[in-house]
Amino acid sequence: DVVLTQSPLSLPVTLGQPASICCRSSQSLVHSDGNTYLNWFQQRPGQSPRRLIYKVSNRDSGVPDRFSGSGSGTEFTLKISRVEADDVGVYYCMQGTHWPPLTFGGGTKVEIK
Amino acid sequence: QVQLVESGGGVVQPGGSLRLSCAASGFIFSNYAMHWVRQAPGKGLEWVAFIRYDGSYKYYVDSVKGRFTISRDNSKNTLDLQMDSLRADDTAVYYCAKDPTMVNPRSFDYWGHGTLVTVSS
Repeated sequence: DVVLTQSPLSLPVTLGQPASICCRSSQSLVHSDGNTYLNWFQQRPGQSPRRLIYKVSNRDSGVPDRFSGSGSGTEFTLKISRVEADDVGVYYCMQGTHWPPLTFGGGTKVEIK
Repeated sequence: QVQLVESGGGVVQPGGSLRLSCAASGFIFSNYAMHWVRQAPGKGLEWVAFIRYDGSYKYYVDSVKGRFTISRDNSKNTLDLQMDSLRADDTAVYYCAKDPTMVNPRSFDYWGHGTLVTVSS
């Protein structure tokens, strides 16, 4: 199974400052069809998860452009250019390249300092 | 707009059974694969099961194989999860989630609000 390791586990951030979350995979997430099926999800307190980014860097409809995804192969990053209060929650990376099973990272908790 | 509404959660004794349902609306249900994903209290997300758009292929996480069965009724726009031989470590919020594709599991572009399953004596 593909293991996704996120860092840091906890990320205290000052409002208006940038934040960055790393996701490392135990094997390359490049699929034989040329796509890399790496996704990012946000889970605000008490809410269901919401997809932010798919295929490494594609933002979902309605996701603010302060969120961006990058990376390749086994190393990926989610960046928030300027953290807002609404961004508090847990962020998960997830891979859909090698399955079953589909796997998630352990999560990164973003909180305001 | 896409809506996924789960039901059927509750408290069940170890070894018991429960059937979860998910009512889908706002999209052509029969054109998309579907999943169940769970989250134990205070823990992260875990993918549980997948079913293709037409029900022809199903996949499960190892820990539920032989105990859980995913199914769908495209005429009623519903997704089900039959859970048998339940264990304490099956306690979780169970989410119904839509895949953006028909055939192969890739992602979850819409999620329901979840239904809580508690396995306890």
